Amino acid sequence: EAGVVQSPRYKIIEKKQPVAFWCNPISGHNTLYWYRQNLGQGPELLIRYENEEAVDDSQLPKDRFSAERLKGVDSTLKIQPAELGDSAVYLCASSLEGYEQYFGPGTRLTVT
Amino acid sequence: AQKITQTQPGMFVQEKEAVTLDCTYDTSDPSYGLFWYKQPSSGEMIFLIYQGSYDQQNATEGRYSLNFQKARKSANLVISASQLGDSAMYFCAMRASGTYKYIFGTGTRLKVLA
Repeated sequence: EAGVVQSPRYKIIEKKQPVAFWCNPISGHNTLYWYRQNLGQGPELLIRYENEEAVDDSQLPKDRFSAERLKGVDSTLKIQPAELGDSAVYLCASSLEGYEQYFGPGTRLTVT
Repeated sequence: AQKITQTQPGMFVQEKEAVTLDCTYDTSDPSYGLFWYKQPSSGEMIFLIYQGSYDQQNATEGRYSLNFQKARKSANLVISASQLGDSAMYFCAMRASGTYKYIFGTGTRLKVLA
């Protein structure tokens, strides 16, 4: 069974530029999570989807971050414009009915 | 508010020995789940073990076991017979029952010495 797929694995952009991350969850998993992990820290939830619905986006900086999950499968997380403080690893995870999460390899974003 | 505390930023263990990674939690919810994840240098978070708050027995998965002490609100991970491949960051996490929101600790970096 294929795991959670994320792309790109690495991204370097200049500040004020836009950037997008893509996630394909494990087939059949209805819950999808986007996390941000700063260096030396644990993951922090940005947004959680149940099927197509964003049910927890309280930690998402909505002035510059946006996300979507079309047809309840793939998801895209966007930042526009990026700031230096956005440099981090962005992790996508999926789960079936809230049981243990399975994570993708993450996207390491560097904003210069 | 829910909180996970991992007080050991780094640990060393000799190969083939056992090691305990500490995790304490704080929650007012009567039902919750506790998880441990391993994050190697490649970056992917790997699920290791799960303990439910009402589980009577400590969870075990191969060389991993969870020392669950509910009254002390601790959920320590024990790795037996450490291997060089166990070198990684380890995160403790909690999820309250009825929600799908996970709270992670700051992690413990484990280094296994040959």
